[in-house]
Amino acid sequence: NAGVTQTPKFRVLKTGQSMTLLCAQDMNHEYMYWYRQDPGMGLRLIHYSVGEGTTAKGEVPDGYNVSRLKKQNFLLGLESAAPSQTSVYFCATSRRETGSSTDTQYFGPGTRLTVL
Amino acid sequence: GQNIDQPTEMTATEGAIVQINCTYQTSGFNGLFWYQQHAGEAPTFLSYNVLDGLEEKGRFSSFLSRSKGYSYLLLKELQMKDSASYLCAVRESGGYNKLIFGAGTRLAVHP
Repeated sequence: NAGVTQTPKFRVLKTGQSMTLLCAQDMNHEYMYWYRQDPGMGLRLIHYSVGEGTTAKGEVPDGYNVSRLKKQNFLLGLESAAPSQTSVYFCATSRRETGSSTDTQYFGPGTRLTVL
Repeated sequence: GQNIDQPTEMTATEGAIVQINCTYQTSGFNGLFWYQQHAGEAPTFLSYNVLDGLEEKGRFSSFLSRSKGYSYLLLKELQMKDSASYLCAVRESGGYNKLIFGAGTRLAVHP
């Protein structure tokens, strides 16, 4: 039972290169999220998905695309990386809301991306 | 607009008690979460409040006042391993369990 996993853990890109970050979960959660975390700014939502085949924009979606072809996987793509996308990226999952503490989001270990 | 404020840094002594405050102004409210994040690691869930009052869980307690837009996390009997960042997050009322995070409070516990 791995929970939420992310690959890769680290990556260095040159400006203009593309890459895909993979998030996988075995918790059977409906909702999945991609965040970026930058010093002094907290976690900011990039895109999210409320079910297989659905995606929606979050607070900072520009420069990113996502896909959720299978319930357990949520992919984050950078088509043309820029230095401003240097950050730590976290994937998170949660069940549908019930109003209890079990609605918490569960986070993957993160991907540290540097764009030169 | 959406705004969540927490102190940037705090220090405390091992064995002491520390209170980390969080104030929020959001367009909707459907619960408040506290997470702990050690350096280089993922955030992990600590506590959840949706009604006014105090929730206690071992050495950690969290308080909420919805009318004041205010919450605090209370850590008792501090240990060195409590040195971490503490994130306050408000769940929006629009559904899909979306959270708005504060920038976090970095707590340093010293002997």
